[in-house]
Amino acid sequence: TQLLEQSPQFLSIQEGENLTVYCNSSSVFSSLQWYRQEPGEGPVLLVTVVTGGEVKKLKRLTFQFGDARKDSSLHITAAQPGDTGLYLCAGANDYKLSFGAGTTVTVRA
Amino acid sequence: EPEVTQTPSHQVTQMGQEVILRCVPISNHLYFYWYRQILGQKVEFLVSFYNNEISEKSEIFDDQFSVERPDGSNFTLKIRSTKLEDSAMYFCASSYGLAGTDTQYFGPGTRLTVL
Repeated sequence: TQLLEQSPQFLSIQEGENLTVYCNSSSVFSSLQWYRQEPGEGPVLLVTVVTGGEVKKLKRLTFQFGDARKDSSLHITAAQPGDTGLYLCAGANDYKLSFGAGTTVTVRA
Repeated sequence: EPEVTQTPSHQVTQMGQEVILRCVPISNHLYFYWYRQILGQKVEFLVSFYNNEISEKSEIFDDQFSVERPDGSNFTLKIRSTKLEDSAMYFCASSYGLAGTDTQYFGPGTRLTVL
């Protein structure tokens, strides 16, 4: 079983502040995907990182894949209330994704 | 933009009844998956399917579960005799390539309630 640990579980910040969500595992993954999930809906893909050390930017979101392909981080700059949601990381190998438990982010106006 | 669709959005059934959850993956995708999410818990892998065969399944996917691609467009998950603990959101996903190399796209889910 490949376990992904996400931290923190909950994060509440003021609009304009920065935040970082971490995703760690003892397993190596071929790629790692970050999703955002709204209540009662399916996960929506934010980004896929494949290469160890890779950094991808999506507007105010920066994603990093660890050199050893075991961990990843999501950094949001100048968070806005629209960033509020559940962020999931998922490690990919062969035929499946292994999900973390998620980080619930709340951005207060 | 192509998307994965699932029907029904909500299914209510009595314990012991059979249910079939339906999915239409993205049309040129080759790999198909089912995941479930019990309320308040993380998304769990159930099964992956490629070339009309199961590629991998989890320990959750026991003999009461089966998958089928009956007509080249639909992908179904059947639960033969539902239990209370089967109540969950069930998500279908598809990808063009292997999960390790290609992105999986998820459907909106079917909420299954077993009474």
